[in-house]
Amino acid sequence: DSGVTQTPKHLITATGQRVTLRCSPRSGDLSVYWYQQSLDQGLQFLIQYYNGEERAKGNILERFSAQQFPDLHSELNLSSLELGDSALYFCASAPGTATTNEKLFFGSGTQLSVL
Amino acid sequence: GNSVTQMEGPVTLSEEAFLTINCTYTATGYPSLFWYVQYPGEGLQLLLKATKADDKGSNKGFEATYRKETTSFHLEKGSVQVSDSAVYFCALSDEVSDSWGKLQFGAGTQVVVTP
Repeated sequence: DSGVTQTPKHLITATGQRVTLRCSPRSGDLSVYWYQQSLDQGLQFLIQYYNGEERAKGNILERFSAQQFPDLHSELNLSSLELGDSALYFCASAPGTATTNEKLFFGSGTQLSVL
Repeated sequence: GNSVTQMEGPVTLSEEAFLTINCTYTATGYPSLFWYVQYPGEGLQLLLKATKADDKGSNKGFEATYRKETTSFHLEKGSVQVSDSAVYFCALSDEVSDSWGKLQFGAGTQVVVTP
């Protein structure tokens, strides 16, 4: 158990809908990362938050947004969903800042299926 | 841009066989290199890492050496067990990136070890 909790584990929805994925990092970790794992794109970095602020952005679509709350949990919001958004979404956490080379602790993911 | 290329799977081995998974990379500067492992139904776990040329990362019998001259970070294990069956990901973190946790992953290699 990595200590990172993601909910829900599975999500089935329809095209055009909006969903929210939730992530609780390990106790004490300030950084939260979101990754998308899909069959065609593989594992891709989406976005990072550190202590409530956006720190780095990757290949995140404009229809997607994220935030990190004062209690350090994070939410990834996906809107106007398309079939191609079907993927496994991972959250990972780490203790430190972007300048600290530490390992990431991954949650077990949320499997999103858009029908 | 950065990229990681690893050998395609699945790789099927008998227990106690020798495992090698090839990984090569393209990056600006001097990236840090990682191997992550994903067991069925779980998130990724850091297996080992190397942060500079000629460093050898090792863990649980697995080893990989950072070879700058060949831009490679091949994973090896001398005697695999059934419990090593998983998907293995090679990844890099670019030193010039805005976030070390912004990892570039390879496509993953599935390893199946049979008794």
